[in-house]
Amino acid sequence: GENVEQHPSTLSVQEGDSAVIKCTYSDSASNYFPWYKQELGKRPQLIIDIRSNVGEKKDQRIAVTLNKTAKHFSLHITETQPEDSAVYFCAASPYGNKLVFGAGTILRVKS
Amino acid sequence: DAMVIQNPRYQVTQFGKPVTLSCSQTLNHNVMYWYQQKSSQAPKLLFHYYDKDFNNEADTPDNFQSRRPNTSFCFLDIRSPGLGDAAMYLCATSREYSGGYEQYFGPGTRLTVT
Repeated sequence: GENVEQHPSTLSVQEGDSAVIKCTYSDSASNYFPWYKQELGKRPQLIIDIRSNVGEKKDQRIAVTLNKTAKHFSLHITETQPEDSAVYFCAASPYGNKLVFGAGTILRVKS
Repeated sequence: DAMVIQNPRYQVTQFGKPVTLSCSQTLNHNVMYWYQQKSSQAPKLLFHYYDKDFNNEADTPDNFQSRRPNTSFCFLDIRSPGLGDAAMYLCATSREYSGGYEQYFGPGTRLTVT
């Protein structure tokens, strides 16, 4: 089955700096890669996703890149703000199968 | 405009006393999921329904059961809660089963076992 590893487990950045979170997956059949943001005590919310037929996707300050050959994908947040502080989860899913989550990254943006 | 609703938001139960958590959705999605989440760990899938078809994860304890009486509602029953079952329980829905379909999470029910 699919296995997703996520690094780093915690990340502290200064406000305005960029943050990068990396995930690797094991199942070459995985074709859907969402990123969820979860603030303390709240529900996970999808912030961006990418499918295997695309190498990069951007939405304002957030971007995701996918390298299918190396089986890894990354979340990039530019110009970080204090409200970006949260736990971020990557996930991977083969078509017709369940989402497998990474262990999560605690992002702290210091102002 | 709530899409996935969970009740109650906080539930306190005694060790061994059965408890039921509920989830409802206004999205008319085919799939409903129950996840258990502890601390800042990743959500752990317990089971899911595709329409009325029930799918259990291999490592979900028998203590956990679920019912989906109709498209909109899904229930999580914990028959004999132990201290280790204290967690946030998240319900989620998706139009189809993964493979590119966004999962929408409810706000969760925080379960405390005393």
